[in-house]
Amino acid sequence: SYELTQPPSVSVSPGQTARITCSGDALPKKYAYWYQQKSGQAPVLVIYEDSKRPSGIPERFSGSSSGTMATLTISGAQVEDEADYYCYSTDSSGVFGTGTKVTVL
Amino acid sequence: QVQLVQSGSELKKPGASVKVSCKASGYTFTSYAMNWVRQAPGQGLEWMGWINTNTGNPTYAQGFTGRFVFSLDTSVSTAYLQISSLKAEDTAVYYCARGRVAAPWGQGTTVTVSS
Repeated sequence: SYELTQPPSVSVSPGQTARITCSGDALPKKYAYWYQQKSGQAPVLVIYEDSKRPSGIPERFSGSSSGTMATLTISGAQVEDEADYYCYSTDSSGVFGTGTKVTVL
Repeated sequence: QVQLVQSGSELKKPGASVKVSCKASGYTFTSYAMNWVRQAPGQGLEWMGWINTNTGNPTYAQGFTGRFVFSLDTSVSTAYLQISSLKAEDTAVYYCARGRVAAPWGQGTTVTVSS
């Protein structure tokens, strides 16, 4: 099986840009997905297929992927964006990244 | 709207079994696979595997073979996760999540294993 590595934490001031990276050898061949998990809640999909945003997700969330790294960007972070974020990749089997705690203060 | 509703919290003794349900609504159940995901206390998300809702064929991740069984009842649009010979380290929140994209998710079922 393969692994997806994320930084443990990212801090950002309100209104600034937060970037969360996800590194994995399989990413050049597979899509990345991103999930937001607020404390005590189930995860919510915020980006799929590297860069697509589901309906209802604010435009400040965007995704990109290049080579072995995928990136989730929160442009103009809000206090309510404070959460854990996980990348995920799958074809016949799935794997989640190690998770990143985003603090907005 | 698409919704996954899971069964309630469980408290079990070591060695017992538990069966978690995930009832789907708002879409054709057999059109999407179902994933199962574990989250131990204070830990990250761990993909357990998925089940093909058309054929019933399960795929288990490494570390989730033997004691873990995925099953279906398509007549009631429900997927199940059964864990046997429970251990303390099985204490976790278990989630179901629809399809390749893994969205949406159920609300989670807390399984606590304690003597």
